[in-house]
Amino acid sequence: AQKITQTQPGMFVQEKEAVTLDCTYDTSDPSYGLFWYKQPSSGEMIFLIYQGSYDQQNATEGRYSLNFQKARKSANLVISASQLGDSAMYFCAMTTETGKLIFGQGTTLQVKP
Amino acid sequence: DSGVTQTPKHLITATGQRVTLRCSPRSGDLSVYWYQQSLDQGLQFLIQYYNGEERAKGNILERFSAQQFPDLHSELNLSSLELGDSALYFCASSASGGLSYEQYFGPGTRLTVT
Repeated sequence: AQKITQTQPGMFVQEKEAVTLDCTYDTSDPSYGLFWYKQPSSGEMIFLIYQGSYDQQNATEGRYSLNFQKARKSANLVISASQLGDSAMYFCAMTTETGKLIFGQGTTLQVKP
Repeated sequence: DSGVTQTPKHLITATGQRVTLRCSPRSGDLSVYWYQQSLDQGLQFLIQYYNGEERAKGNILERFSAQQFPDLHSELNLSSLELGDSALYFCASSASGGLSYEQYFGPGTRLTVT
């Protein structure tokens, strides 16, 4: 069965520092997609970054990068130069062939000024 | 703004009642997904439609049903509501139904069952 595990319920980071949010996944499918979403306190789900299982390079989107280690089945999100507006819940998710998303439990990130 | 709209934003109803949640996908997106977010279950996939046809089913209760109409908007019907159905219900859309297409989420409908 496919599963996403986020082992950090909560994280703190100082403003302007980098932070890594952990995500491990389990699947037997050869093809899959890995996503990160941000959910601020207002509740909306915001797409951040995508990594395909066959992509050779780690995905980057502005201050977000995905550290993809296929052999370890990990897809950690790195946020560089944290900002106060980065305080939110972050979800790692995986897609199957149909595209449905399987989510982890989420990590709450708090950025300290 | 993701381009996905959901109505209503908030819904308060009593146990045993039936409600309908509506979703309009982003222009051009053919695939619609419904998710439920609750404190105890987290984010759970309910059902997916692609161009009017049901494509995948997740942890959707028999009391719940959905459909996607020819104009691609979708409705999620929840009946015989129970207290445990209180949750945030998201609709998401993607261009296609494949695994490499990012899903854009609507703002959600917060359902409170009293």
